[in-house]
Order: sequence, then structure tokens, then C-alpha cells
Amino acid sequence: DIQMTQSPSTLSASIRDRVTITCRASQSISSWLAWYQQKPGQAPKLLIYKASSLQSGVPSRFSGSGSGTEFTLTITGLQPDDIATYYCHQYSGFSLTFGGGTRVEI
Amino acid sequence: EVQLLESGGGLVQPGGSLRLSCAASGFSFSSYAMGWVRQAPGKGLEWVSDISGRGETTHYADSVKGRFTISRDNSKNTLYLQMSSLRGDDTAVYNCARRPDSGWFPYDYWGQGTLVTVSS
Repeated sequence: DIQMTQSPSTLSASIRDRVTITCRASQSISSWLAWYQQKPGQAPKLLIYKASSLQSGVPSRFSGSGSGTEFTLTITGLQPDDIATYYCHQYSGFSLTFGGGTRVEI
Repeated sequence: EVQLLESGGGLVQPGGSLRLSCAASGFSFSSYAMGWVRQAPGKGLEWVSDISGRGETTHYADSVKGRFTISRDNSKNTLYLQMSSLRGDDTAVYNCARRPDSGWFPYDYWGQGTLVTVSS
């Protein structure tokens, strides 16, 4: 199975900061990488798919980049509503996996 | 509006069985592959199983292979997960999710989940 390693596991930032989360795959997954946001008690929400495509309705301050094994999620201008846990997710094959999550705090 | 509503969770003893359901509405159910993803209390997301739009192809995580069976009834717009030989580490909130059945896409809509607790 492809392992997904996210860093950091916890991130402390201030409002309006630029925040970057990294995800590394144990083998190449091309661009088959998604990012999700999850708030306590809620289902995950899709933010980014195919590494850099913004899901409809998601604010443009969210962006994704990378290919192969190295990926990043960037929040440009952190907002109070962005406090959540973020997960990367590879869907390159029939065995799907998620990263361990990054908790974003103020 | 896309809606996914899970049901069937509860308390079950180790070694027991349980069947989860996911009622879908607001989209063409058979045009979407469906999956189950679980989250143990205070932990991250773990993919469990996936089924194609017509139900012809299924896939499972190694941790549940041989114990869980995914199925769907497109006439009822419902997804199922039959769980047997349950263990303590199966305790989790189980979410159903959909993804387009053509090409490579991630899960784009998720249900709120149903809690399964395996304990004596």
C-alpha cells in the first residue's frame, strides 16, 4: 500500500498568515492527490483534487501543488473559519490511503 | 441537493456482526462509485472499502478483507457494509462517500457518519 506522510502534525498560526502543509507519498502517485478539511463533528470537505484543482465553492485562498511524491497545500491569508484538521488523500489505485492529518490552530 | 445518510451503527460485542446502510439522494446514484471511510475516536481517516457504480467491482483495505462486504442496491439508492468478526479496533465512525465512476476522482461528498462501538 502507498503510505502518505503529512507534516507537520500540528501547526500554530495567526490570522492572515500564509500556511503550508506538506504531504509525501511512499511512491509516485502522479497527480492523484486530494486535500480535505475536517472540522470537529463534521464530515470531511473536499478542497483540492488532482493535486492543484480547486473544488467548486472552495475559497481561492486554498491552493495545492506538487506531483509524483511531494505535495503541498497552501492557505494564503488564514481565516478563523480555516481552523480545522487537514488530510491529504491519494487515489492513484484501488487501495486508497489518507495522510495522518494536520491540525491547524491559532 | 446531494445527501448521504448513514444508519445501522451501534454497540456490538467482539466477534459480532452489523450491517450499515447509506441512503443516497439528490444525484444519479448508479453513476457514482461509493465507498466507506472510518475514523476511530480521536484518530485520522482510514479507507475501508469501495464499490463501482454498477456494483461489479469491489475493493477492500487489508484490515477488513475477508470480514467486511460492501454492496449496493441501485433500485433503492442504498449502499451497504456488512461487517462480521468485529474487533475492538473496528470501533469508529463510519462515513459513506461518493466519487464519479468514470476516471480517477476522489470522494467529493460524504455523509455525517454512524458510530460503531465494538465492546463487551
